[in-house]
Amino acid sequence: GEDVEQSLFLSVREGDSSVINCTYTDSSSTYLYWYKQEPGAGLQLLTYIFSNMDMKQDQRLTVLLNKKDKHLSLRIADTQTGDSAIYFCAESYGGSQGNLIFGKGTKLSVKP
Amino acid sequence: DGGITQSPKYLFRKEGQNVTLSCEQNLNHDAMYWYRQDPGQGLRLIYYSQIVNDFQKGDIAEGYSVSREKKESFPLTVTSAQKNPTAFYLCASSWQQGEKLFFGSGTQLSVL
Repeated sequence: GEDVEQSLFLSVREGDSSVINCTYTDSSSTYLYWYKQEPGAGLQLLTYIFSNMDMKQDQRLTVLLNKKDKHLSLRIADTQTGDSAIYFCAESYGGSQGNLIFGKGTKLSVKP
Repeated sequence: DGGITQSPKYLFRKEGQNVTLSCEQNLNHDAMYWYRQDPGQGLRLIYYSQIVNDFQKGDIAEGYSVSREKKESFPLTVTSAQKNPTAFYLCASSWQQGEKLFFGSGTQLSVL
């Protein structure tokens, strides 16, 4: 069945780059998303990529998609303490074709 | 400001009691969702609704009930049949099923 996998923890130093990885199983996914959750808050949509793209850049965020390996990554450049949060990746098939499937989330800790 | 409002932020339930969590959106979205989040477990789908007066069970619907009488509102009732209700509950909406989700800020439910 469908599954989205992420490592549970990542620790980096302030100013370094963070790379959060995600693997998914369904090659027919249409969109892949990255969400950020700060403690005690809801999920905030950070960015998303359409499945026919390889890369998307948005300020400090770079999303890379390798469809052959079903691998998605989120790179955060110049990581700040405010980036400490849980990051979820999710896949979908597009409108009216089933709900988003979420990974369990990666907790990013940024040390000063 | 458009968005999703969940209330209350914190809720306490006594044994044998039903409690209702509120979710209202003014984004004109057709689809609405309820997720449960336990530490380290990621998000689990409780119920979702694609249109007014219609809703479907998600992966963990037992012990919960919902209604969708208005497009803007999707309240969740945690019944006394739910034996382990302590969790963080997240409401979300999207234009239609399978598209990117917008989340509320969550309700933390605890048992007295």
